[in-house]
Amino acid sequence: QQQVKQSPQSLIVQKGGISIINCAYENTAFDYFPWYQQFPGKGPALLIAIRPDVSEKKEGRFTISFNKSAKQFSLHIMDSQPGDSATYFCAAGGGGSQGNLIFGKGTKLSVKP
Amino acid sequence: GAGVSQSPRYKVAKRGQDVALRCDPISGHVSLFWYQQALGQGPEFLTYFQNEAQLDKSGLPSDRFFAERPEGSVSTLKIQRTQQEDSAVYLCASSPTRWYGYTFGSGTRLTVV
Repeated sequence: QQQVKQSPQSLIVQKGGISIINCAYENTAFDYFPWYQQFPGKGPALLIAIRPDVSEKKEGRFTISFNKSAKQFSLHIMDSQPGDSATYFCAAGGGGSQGNLIFGKGTKLSVKP
Repeated sequence: GAGVSQSPRYKVAKRGQDVALRCDPISGHVSLFWYQQALGQGPEFLTYFQNEAQLDKSGLPSDRFFAERPEGSVSTLKIQRTQQEDSAVYLCASSPTRWYGYTFGSGTRLTVV
């Protein structure tokens, strides 16, 4: 009930392409869905987040698509760049928690020049 | 400082040794979280403080783990009688409110040998 399942585990994209990472959750009480970017040796950094009252949120090249009925959400990175190469984590929060997040296992993205 | 500061950055402990990991949150941030990140995995919630009050410690894996934040600013995560399975990166995050969009530090990598 508390799991967040993320796929794929790894992704290779050519420069300029679209990177798509998917996540699924089970707990319908979750009400906050962020995506984090993590570079080696650094902590996760918040990239973009969405609440379930909207189906899409866009910030620059990053877009979250949210499907409440399917309990799925995804991150789209448009015009992917080598500097986007990192590990991406989806997460979910809410359901009576104090603010702690449930993270997916991560997707290692490599953008080839 | 501008960000969340954690020390030490790296710690090697012999099995059975006690360790203390320090977190300096962003000045004025009310909420403070500790997460554990195993190699190749997403962060997992350990505990949450609001000011000096520990409001949630449901993620602490055993009674060997103890966290405190006595004056509502700096926090220490203590692990007694370390075991090999405690080897991980320990991440601290802080937030100005109970809002989820908190800032992570770079973590302390603990290796138990």
